[in-house]
Amino acid sequence: AQSVTQPDIHITVSEGASLELRCNYSYGATPYLFWYVQSPGQGLQLLLKYFSGDTLVQGIKGFEAEFKRSQSSFNLRKPSVHWSDAAEYFCAVASGGYQKVTFGTGTKLQVIP
Amino acid sequence: GAVVSQHPSWVICKSGTSVKIECRSLDFQATTMFWYRQFPKQSLMLMATSNEGSKATYEQGVEKDKFLINHASLTLSTLTVTSAHPEDSSFYICSASRAGGPGEQYFGPGTRLTVT
Repeated sequence: AQSVTQPDIHITVSEGASLELRCNYSYGATPYLFWYVQSPGQGLQLLLKYFSGDTLVQGIKGFEAEFKRSQSSFNLRKPSVHWSDAAEYFCAVASGGYQKVTFGTGTKLQVIP
Repeated sequence: GAVVSQHPSWVICKSGTSVKIECRSLDFQATTMFWYRQFPKQSLMLMATSNEGSKATYEQGVEKDKFLINHASLTLSTLTVTSAHPEDSSFYICSASRAGGPGEQYFGPGTRLTVT
């Protein structure tokens, strides 16, 4: 069965600092990988996705993620965090055919001035 | 493009009553829609997958008689929580995927259900 682990429940960074959110997945074949962001009381917005090809994926809002098969990881990065980036971030993996998405437990990002 | 709406965004109902939540794809045809449940400070848990014109597939542990899902058209799926109880209070989020794939899921804004 596929699974996703986000080891950091809560992360605090200063505005302007760099950010890396960790995500490890477990899946037998090549996974479809996603990062979503959720603001309080809101639905999910897709930041970026990896299906195949270039392992460094660019997303919206200046985010990027790198797929590392050897480490089963798909970490999210941003070089300079803005206060508006404060939210909950979910990593997700989908099985072939894209019929079932499994979400990680989420990482809550706090940005301090 | 790829906008998904949910209605209502927030609902309060009394214990024992039923409540219906709508999920609509506004600018695309969604062959598959998904319903998730999210408890406070927790992740999304898939409840069921519905394909237009066929019965929904429920995840293990989800009561199909309690959470009725109808996917009557390519743009509308409904979730009805029957005989609601306080423990059903949660944030319900739907998503939709386009015809053909692999694609991605587009998420609605969610519905906050409070059962008193």
